[in-house]
Amino acid sequence: DAKTTQPNSMESNEEEPVHLPCNHSTISGTDYIHWYRQLPSQGPEYVIHGLTSNVNNRMASLAIAEDRKSSTLILHRATLRDAAVYYCILRDLVFGNEKLTFGTGTRLTIIP
Amino acid sequence: DTAVSQTPKYLVTQMGNDKSIKCEQNLGHDTMYWYKQDSKKFLKIMFSYNNKELIINETVPNRFSPKSPDKAHLNLHINSLELGDSAVYFCASSQDGEPDTQYFGPGTRLTVL
Repeated sequence: DAKTTQPNSMESNEEEPVHLPCNHSTISGTDYIHWYRQLPSQGPEYVIHGLTSNVNNRMASLAIAEDRKSSTLILHRATLRDAAVYYCILRDLVFGNEKLTFGTGTRLTIIP
Repeated sequence: DTAVSQTPKYLVTQMGNDKSIKCEQNLGHDTMYWYKQDSKKFLKIMFSYNNKELIINETVPNRFSPKSPDKAHLNLHINSLELGDSAVYFCASSQDGEPDTQYFGPGTRLTVL
């Protein structure tokens, strides 16, 4: 599986936007970029995914670099409930390879 | 209306015992998974089943045996428990398709004494 690199931790003030970066320089053409997050004492939760174009949903936006070697998860207005570990994961969805390979993620702390 | 449920939530047992963790999903998904999160919070796939058939087995010891009685259930049985088995075990499910999204259960914290 192609590898991703994320900062270990980030802090942000409540009600401000948060930009969580992810580097994936060895991404292949068929790799989708997925983001999951894990809130304290809970299972991971899907956030967003994309292939080439930027994506928006009710939780976040995903900005993908033109060369696809990096991406940024954007939380438009962070709340205390967004404090979690955020994982950037590459997935090549060939049948039999649906597993999620988690890295160490970025621990996001929200400051009230 | 829990989508993916696991029982029990906590499991404390002695070394050498045999125990099971149950997982059920009511989403109608075709694929189910077991992940293990160790004390350093590293989360790793163990198994996946698609329509009751084993798809992924990530070099997990033979003491771990997943069983899928039907598409909605994937149970994890562990024989001869060891101290190193202490971890949080997460069940997940997903629907076939591209790209799919995995839905995780709340986890089962296993402590082996």
